[in-house]
Amino acid sequence: GAVVSQHPSRVICKSGTSVKIECRSLDFQATTMFWYRQFPKQSLMLMATSNEGSKATYEQGVEKDKFLINHASLTLSTLTVTSAHPEDSSFYICSAETGIRETQYFGPGTRLLVL
Amino acid sequence: EDKVVQSPLSLVVHEGDTVTLNCSYEVTNFRSLLWYKQEKKAPTFLFMLTSSGIEKKSGRLSSILDKKELFSILNITATQTGDSAVYLCAVEANTGNQFYFGTGTSLTVIP
Repeated sequence: GAVVSQHPSRVICKSGTSVKIECRSLDFQATTMFWYRQFPKQSLMLMATSNEGSKATYEQGVEKDKFLINHASLTLSTLTVTSAHPEDSSFYICSAETGIRETQYFGPGTRLLVL
Repeated sequence: EDKVVQSPLSLVVHEGDTVTLNCSYEVTNFRSLLWYKQEKKAPTFLFMLTSSGIEKKSGRLSSILDKKELFSILNITATQTGDSAVYLCAVEANTGNQFYFGTGTSLTVIP
């Protein structure tokens, strides 16, 4: 079945540094990739939707200059948290959509801890 | 290989019917199993299950976990058109706090 990977699985960084998270569709081409952030009580917030070769569409309240998304190919999207602060500490999950049945395949997530 | 499998892939029912959605898993270092409802954008959290045999209930929705047989079911009684959505099951592992999502069951409720 379709597999989506994320790298790294967990990262600890100092406040003020930037962190890049990769999301890859391993055995299929993803027309669209989504980035989510997990909040307390397990809720997931959609941050942005990205299509290969075009600018990401950010949800209201998500700072595009802080959360840079690049979708360079049909199998790779990256989320860069710039000038990370402790309040950015969270679990970030990506998903990729194939266009067939519009099924979304979720990655395993990346745990970010900003000290 | 850790994985979560949901069945059926899709389901079409009439209003008032009761449906049962299945989620089986093979995940090392199981921590919890979560059910989400996804309509348009972000999945909406429904339940988190950690213990076997204890039913969680919210209105017409209920869910139970069997850690021996490695599966969970989500029941929806007296379905309504507003229940139409993709229902996702995810298992959280202790190792690296990773999540393993199923591909979802697409439920359509016809008036």
